[in-house]
Amino acid sequence: EVQLVESGGGLVQPGRSLRLSCAASGFTFDDYAMHWVRQAPGKGLEWVSRISWNSGSIGYADSVKGRFTISRDNAKNSLYLQMNSLRAEDTALYYCAKGAFGGVIGSWGQGTLVTVSS
Amino acid sequence: EIVMTQSPATLSVSPGERATLSCRASQSVSSNLVWYQQKPGQAPRLLIYGASTRATGIPARFSGSGSGTEFTLTISSLQSEDFAVYYCQQYNNWPPLTFGGGTKVEIK
Repeated sequence: EVQLVESGGGLVQPGRSLRLSCAASGFTFDDYAMHWVRQAPGKGLEWVSRISWNSGSIGYADSVKGRFTISRDNAKNSLYLQMNSLRAEDTALYYCAKGAFGGVIGSWGQGTLVTVSS
Repeated sequence: EIVMTQSPATLSVSPGERATLSCRASQSVSSNLVWYQQKPGQAPRLLIYGASTRATGIPARFSGSGSGTEFTLTISSLQSEDFAVYYCQQYNNWPPLTFGGGTKVEIK
């Protein structure tokens, strides 16, 4: 069974940084692309970033480009999101998600909440 | 960026009735469209990919259709567990992956 467990969320002041982690299990991690998707409270889904299986291809939403960095450690079955220069509008539940193929997201974690506020 | 628009925002349906949800793309996405279901307090779940292919374990009462810019998710006979928010998402031209705003299916 696929398990994706996010951690690292919390309350952070605007302009500060936070690093999210996702521990993956139940599948061969280095066979799949991985994504981060966020959901602001009471709002819809917003794709944030994607990294290919070997980190050779990375993409970002314009809203986070230049501030967020996605990475992975296949030896540790882990995905990361380094978030710098955080803004109030980054407040959201951040989901770690496993790519199925192309841009299809096959499995989702339960999310970690990031709140940006002074 | 391709903009995805879902309608209606809320759909009130009685159990056992049919529900029809719409998704429109601002430009053609071919058949590269996904539907997800999200229940309160839960992560989204993959329902349909390729516009019409059910994901593993998804009941046959869920069906998807359409191509190009117009897509439909149909739930043939609503069960209590189907009341949720449904999102469409395109993967034809990305990044970015883009989602519709969602349709909430509620009990009438």
